[in-house]
Amino acid sequence: IVMTQTPLSLSVTPGQPAAISCKSSESLLHSNGQTYLYWYLQRPGQSPHLLIYEVSSRFSGVPDRFSGSGSGTEFTLKISRVEAEDVGIYYCMQGVHVPPTFGGGTKVEIK
Amino acid sequence: VQLVESGGAVVQPGGSQRLSCTASGFIFDDYTMHWVRQTPGQGLEWLALISWDGGTTYYADSVKGRFTISRDNSKKSLYLEMNSLTTEDTAFYYCARVAVAGTFLIDFWGQGTLVTVSS
Repeated sequence: IVMTQTPLSLSVTPGQPAAISCKSSESLLHSNGQTYLYWYLQRPGQSPHLLIYEVSSRFSGVPDRFSGSGSGTEFTLKISRVEAEDVGIYYCMQGVHVPPTFGGGTKVEIK
Repeated sequence: VQLVESGGAVVQPGGSQRLSCTASGFIFDDYTMHWVRQTPGQGLEWLALISWDGGTTYYADSVKGRFTISRDNSKKSLYLEMNSLTTEDTAFYYCARVAVAGTFLIDFWGQGTLVTVSS
């Protein structure tokens, strides 16, 4: 399954919103009714960490300025008000089909 | 939760290397584990998965037959045995914990260990 993220990079003024798109080559709706689409952030020099699971559920400790939405093959991660600590590369990942696959990443920078 | 990888090195093409990942802060043998790699400047590639008891493993086609994932629950350790290495295997290698058995959801990653395949 190919995961395509857009844009490749994003430069955002602090306090402004940002949105990242992730499209999959096949539906991520599992036969059990769940959609296994996840979002990760990799800050510079760090390993990735989990932000969102099952499209829209925020992981423990993730600020509520992060939200996920979408269904089927099209998904979006939104940051309502970008802060300096949000810089890094964002990856979507699908966990429905084997092998699990990641998007190519979207680099977010602060203006 | 802490995952600490080790074993990264410079390896000659055709060579072998064994990576280890030591877990702490959680009950290791309750969890399925992954290996994921990231090539410098590139994206993330899932490599392999092993169930809590080691009884089930899955591999990416790119490493099937060359890499072997294993674990020793008594040592709270995960391993990746890598053989027939090529320059395309040069990458940071992460071990990662599966949040919910039966899914591929990773909730925690290690800090990674670098394998460089070069003559």
